[in-house]
Amino acid sequence: DSGVTQTPKHLITATGQRVTLRCSPRSGDLSVYWYQQSLDQGLQFLIQYYNGEERAKGNILERFSAQQFPDLHSELNLSSLELGDSALYFCASSAGTARQETQYFGPGTRLLVL
Amino acid sequence: QKEVEQDPGPLSVPEGAIVSLNCTYSNSAFQYFMWYRQYSRKGPELLMYTYSSGNKEDGRFTAQVDKSSKYISLFIRDSQPSDSATYLCAMSANAGGTSYGKLTFGQGTILTVHP
Repeated sequence: DSGVTQTPKHLITATGQRVTLRCSPRSGDLSVYWYQQSLDQGLQFLIQYYNGEERAKGNILERFSAQQFPDLHSELNLSSLELGDSALYFCASSAGTARQETQYFGPGTRLLVL
Repeated sequence: QKEVEQDPGPLSVPEGAIVSLNCTYSNSAFQYFMWYRQYSRKGPELLMYTYSSGNKEDGRFTAQVDKSSKYISLFIRDSQPSDSATYLCAMSANAGGTSYGKLTFGQGTILTVHP
């Protein structure tokens, strides 16, 4: 158990809908990262927050947004969902922002868009 | 062309075999190199971490980085059925810029060790 929790574990929704994925980092970790894992693209970095502020951005679609709250939990919002958004979404956390820090991954949320 | 290339396999070996997993990369800014293991329906977990070129050993696992060739390897000695998983290489660049904190992953290699 990495100490990172994600809810829900599974999510089934329809195209055009909006969903929110939630992540609680390990105790004491200030950085939260979101990744998307699909069969064709592999594991791809979406976005990083550090202590409530956006720190790095990857291949995140404009339909997707994220935020980190004062209690350090984070939410990833996916809107106007398309079939191609079906994937595993992972949250990871690390202590700060140093390059050599280990990122600890949560168990993921499996999203299926029908 | 992807920044990190990894043969997806699948790779099937008998118990006790030496396994070699490899990744190549194109971004010379990568300085930190990692190997993650991912069991089915689980999140990735860090196996090995190496900074810049060189070797690192941890039990049955050895990680090698050759920056001149932009090539990294993970060796598993005396492989066990419990090693059956997907192995992902990951890399990150130096501090600064919009890539701060970003890990770039390979596609992952599916490994099966059969008894």
